[in-house]
Amino acid sequence: AQTVTQSQPEMSVQEAETVTLSCTYDTSESDYYLFWYKQPPSRQMILVIRQEAYKQQNATENRFSVNFQKAAKSFSLKISDSQLGDAAMYFCAYRDSGGSNYKLTFGKGTLLTVNP
Amino acid sequence: NAGVTQTPKFQVLKTGQSMTLQCAQDMNHEYMSWYRQDPGMGLRLIHYSVGAGITDQGEVPNGYNVSRSTTEDFPLRLLSAAPSQTSVYFCASSYRLGGLPLHFGNGTRLTVT
Repeated sequence: AQTVTQSQPEMSVQEAETVTLSCTYDTSESDYYLFWYKQPPSRQMILVIRQEAYKQQNATENRFSVNFQKAAKSFSLKISDSQLGDAAMYFCAYRDSGGSNYKLTFGKGTLLTVNP
Repeated sequence: NAGVTQTPKFQVLKTGQSMTLQCAQDMNHEYMSWYRQDPGMGLRLIHYSVGAGITDQGEVPNGYNVSRSTTEDFPLRLLSAAPSQTSVYFCASSYRLGGLPLHFGNGTRLTVT
C-alpha cells in the first residue's frame, strides 16, 4: 500500500524568507501524481501544486515550487518570499494511475507558522 | 459556479442517532468521494463513486453508507453515530479518475457525544 510521510509536524518561517516542507512516499508504481494542499484555519482544502511523475521538470506556481526526486521518492515544497497568508496546514498527497487511482493518500500534515 | 457544497457546516449528535451529510457539485464531475480528517491522521477515504449508480468503499467505510442517484449529489449517511465518528468530513470531486486534483467542499465538523 502506498504511504506518504511528512516528517515535520510543525515548521516556522520569517515573513519574506524561504521555507521547505518535506514529503516522502512509498510506492511500487512508476506512474503517479503528487499534490500539495493547503488548509488554512478556515478549513478549506486548497490545491497548491501538482506534479506528474513522468515529467522530469519540477512544477512551479508563482512563489511555490517543488523538488521532485523520483528515485528517492521525495516531493518537497518550497515557499519563497513567505507571506502571513501562507500560514496553514500543508498536506502532501499521492494518487497512482493504476488500480488505486480512486483515492488520494495523504500525509499527516505540516503546520506552517509565518512570523512577522 | 458554487463548486462543491457541503451541508451542514457543524453538527452535534448523540450516540446512536443517525444523520445525513449532504454534498452537491455543479461541475458535472463523474468522481465524488468522502474523506474524514482526524488530528494527526491526515485525510482518509470513506467511500467514493465514479458515476451515478456506482459506489464503492474506501479505507474506513464502517458505520457509513452512501448512494449516488444523480451526478450532482453524493450524500453520506451515518447509520448509528458513535463517538469514534467525531471528525471533520470532506466531500471532494473531480471530473474523472486519473491525475486530476480533487475539488473539496468546506467540510462538516461533526461531534458525537
